[in-house]
Amino acid sequence: GENVEQHPSTLSVQEGDSAVIKCTYSDSASNYFPWYKQELGKRPQLIIDIRSNVGEKKDQRIAVTLNKTAKHFSLHITETQPEDSAVYFCAASIFSGYSTLTFGKGTMLLVSP
Amino acid sequence: EPEVTQTPSHQVTQMGQEVILRCVPISNHLYFYWYRQILGQKVEFLVSFYNNEISEKSEIFDDQFSVERPDGSNFTLKIRSTKLEDSAMYFCASSEARDTLSYEQYFGPGTRLTVT
Repeated sequence: GENVEQHPSTLSVQEGDSAVIKCTYSDSASNYFPWYKQELGKRPQLIIDIRSNVGEKKDQRIAVTLNKTAKHFSLHITETQPEDSAVYFCAASIFSGYSTLTFGKGTMLLVSP
Repeated sequence: EPEVTQTPSHQVTQMGQEVILRCVPISNHLYFYWYRQILGQKVEFLVSFYNNEISEKSEIFDDQFSVERPDGSNFTLKIRSTKLEDSAMYFCASSEARDTLSYEQYFGPGTRLTVT
C-alpha cells in the first residue's frame, strides 16, 4: 500500500519568514495530494491540493509543488503569520471517484511573532 | 457553509463494551469515510462507504468494526468490544459524487473515544 513520509516533524520560524514542508510517497499510481491544517483539538481542514496533471498550484501565500518523477511534493507558506501555527498533514491517494487518504505523520509549525 | 457533524464529542467506555459513533455527512455527498487519530499521531484511514456498502477498508478495520447508514442522513461506526488501544479521536469525512471538480474530503469535528 501507499506510504507517505513527511519532514520535518517540527518547524519553528519567525513571523514573515517562509516555511517549507516536504513529503514523499511510494505508490506511483497516486494522483491526488491534499494538504490539511489541524489546529489543536480541531478537525483537519483542507488548505490546498494538487492533482498529478500539474506541477504547481498557488493560493495566495500557500503553494504546493509536485515532482512525479521523484515522487515528492512540498508545501510552501510565505510571509508566515502566528495564525499559521498548527499541525500540517500531507496526504496521497489514488482518486477514482473517491480517495482513500494516506497521511504523513504531520509537521508542527510554530510561527513566533 | 455545510459541515460534517459528529456525536458525541467525547465518549468514555469500559473495555469490552460496544460503542456507536455517529456522523451526519454533508447532505449532497455520496462518499463517506471514517479515520482515526491516536493522540499525537497521524490520521489513519479505517473505511470508505458508498451506495450502502464498503468500498475499501484498512487492516485496522477488523471484525470488531462495522459501519452503517441507517437512514438518509446518519452514518455510524460501531466497535463491538472495545479495547484499550481503540482509544483515539475518530473522524468522519464525506466527499461529493464521482463526477465533480472537487476531490476534497470534509472532516467532522471528531469523537474522542476513551476506553478504560
